[in-house]
Amino acid sequence: EVQLVESGGGLVKPGGSLRLSCAASGFTFSSYSMNWVRQAPGKGLEWVSSISSSSSYIYYADSVKGRFTISRDNAKNSLYLQMNSLRAEDTAVYYCARASRDGYSYFDYWGQGTLVTVSS
Amino acid sequence: DIQMTQSPSSLSASVGDRVTITCRASQSISIYLNWYQQKPGKAPKLLIYAASSLQSGVPSRFSGSGSGTDFTLTISSLQPDDFATYYCQQYNSYSWTFGQGTKVEIK
Repeated sequence: EVQLVESGGGLVKPGGSLRLSCAASGFTFSSYSMNWVRQAPGKGLEWVSSISSSSSYIYYADSVKGRFTISRDNAKNSLYLQMNSLRAEDTAVYYCARASRDGYSYFDYWGQGTLVTVSS
Repeated sequence: DIQMTQSPSSLSASVGDRVTITCRASQSISIYLNWYQQKPGKAPKLLIYAASSLQSGVPSRFSGSGSGTDFTLTISSLQPDDFATYYCQQYNSYSWTFGQGTKVEIK
């Protein structure tokens, strides 16, 4: 069974940093691109970042470019999101999501999410 | 960036109703359009991918259609478990965008 479990969320002050983790199991993690998607309270979904299976290709939404860094450790079946210079508008539930391998780039499995709150 | 416009933003319907949600892209995206269902406090769940392909395990009352800029999600006979928020999602040039969501409520 595919499982994605996020951790690392919490309360942080504006300008602070936080590192999110996503532990994957039930599939060959090293074969899949992975993504972070966030959802502000009461709002819709926003794609944040994507990383290819071997970390060769990395993409970010404009809203986080230069502040967030996505990475992965295939030996540990883990995905990460380093978030720096956090702003109030980064407050959201952050989901990790697996991307399909068939070229249509949909997200077929999602974690349960971890809440990040940026507030003084 | 490609913008996705969903309509309506909310609707009220009864069990057994046929429900249609539309999604329009600001430019052609071929069939790179997916649909997700989200219930309160839960992660999104993939329903339809590549505009019209039903994800494994999803009931056949869900269907998708369209290509280019105009897409539709149809629930043929609304069931109690279907009351949720639905999002379309496009993929283009290593960027993904979601529609603003359609909340389906009980009439």
